[in-house]
This record gives sequence, C-alpha cells and structure tokens, in this order.
Amino acid sequence: GDSVTQMEGPVTLSEEAFLTINCTYTATGYPSLFWYVQYPGEGLQLLLKATKADDKGSNKGFEATYRKETTSFHLEKGSVQVSDSAVYFCALLLSNTGKLIFGQGTTLQVKP
Amino acid sequence: SQTIHQWPATLVQPVGSPLSLECTVEGTSNPNLYWYRQAAGRGLQLLFYSVGIGQISSEVPQNLSASRPQDRQFILSSKKLLLSDSGFYLCAWSRGTPSGNTIYFGEGSWLTVV
Repeated sequence: GDSVTQMEGPVTLSEEAFLTINCTYTATGYPSLFWYVQYPGEGLQLLLKATKADDKGSNKGFEATYRKETTSFHLEKGSVQVSDSAVYFCALLLSNTGKLIFGQGTTLQVKP
Repeated sequence: SQTIHQWPATLVQPVGSPLSLECTVEGTSNPNLYWYRQAAGRGLQLLFYSVGIGQISSEVPQNLSASRPQDRQFILSSKKLLLSDSGFYLCAWSRGTPSGNTIYFGEGSWLTVV
C-alpha cells in the first residue's frame, strides 16, 4: 500500500553541520510530496513541497528534490542552527483520493 | 482567510467513556478533511479522511469513528475509550483540487485516557 518511510532518529548534529534526512515513499499514481516541521511545543507547519518529478522545494535554507526514479524526497540543509531542532515529517498526498500520509517523523537535535 | 478550529484542547477521560472531538473550517468550501493521531514516541497516523459530506474513509480499524454532518465540520467519536486511545489528535484540511495544495492543521487536542 501507500506509505512513507523516514530515517530513524534522533539525529544529533553540531551547529553549522550538513543535514540530510532521508525519505522514501511507495505510492500508486503521482503523489505530491511535503516536508512538515514541528518545533517544540508548537503545531505542525509546512516547510516545503514539490508537486511533480524533479521539482525542488526550498524554504529557510532547507531543500528537497522530488526523485521519481528513486521514489525519494530527502531533506537537506547546508548549515543547521540550534533553532532548527524539531521533529521533521515527510508526507505524500495522493491526488486521486485526497489521502495524506505521513512518515513516522525524525527528531533533529542541534547542539551549539 | 481560512481558519480551522478544533476542540476541546485538552481532556482527561476514564476508560469506557465516550469521546467527541469537533473540528470546523471557515473561509472555504468543500475541503478535504483529516483526523490524525500522534501517539507518544510515534509519528502521525492517519485515522480518517473525507472528501465530501458523508464520505468517510477509515485508515485504521479501531474503536474510533468519524462523521461529517456538514461541509466544514468533522467529528471524531468513540463510544468507549481505551487506554491506548491516549494521544494528540490533529484535525487538518486541504483544498479539494488541484493536487499538491498545502495542508492546514488545527491546534490539536490532547486526550488522556485514565
């Protein structure tokens, strides 16, 4: 069935390190892909999205490219900050059904 | 502008008691509506989604149910709560078409079953 798999956390990095959080998906059809972020004590927020193959979503220094050949949507940031510490969720939206499926979330901890 | 509200924000319920969480969306019509649960140490689990009035798709067979009595109202219910129902419940909406639209989340409801 349709699913999203993220790398397990927590991911612990030092400030200014390079970040990659892997996300792969299984879906019928052509889903749209999203990254959501949940900062401590806050609700979910959309971080970035891509609606078709080879699209690159970007926001706040984060980037992710929709790779249809590898069914992946890995999240990257060149230099993380302490304020990036949060839980990151990869998600896919099936356009034919409106169903939105999330990965299990990856906790990122950035230390000064 | 569009807004989404869900309530109550927190509740503590005994095992075996009923549950009703409500969610309403304003400022749009015919939205897709979702109920998610985020249990401690786990990710977001899709419970129900709806693409129209009276159209409910269940993703996880359990003792919860959902209803959509009006276009912009989505209700999560249970007749008898279990301890395992404890968690953080999120209502969300998106525009029906086209694909790739942003999903907007409610404030969430913390449920503790004791």
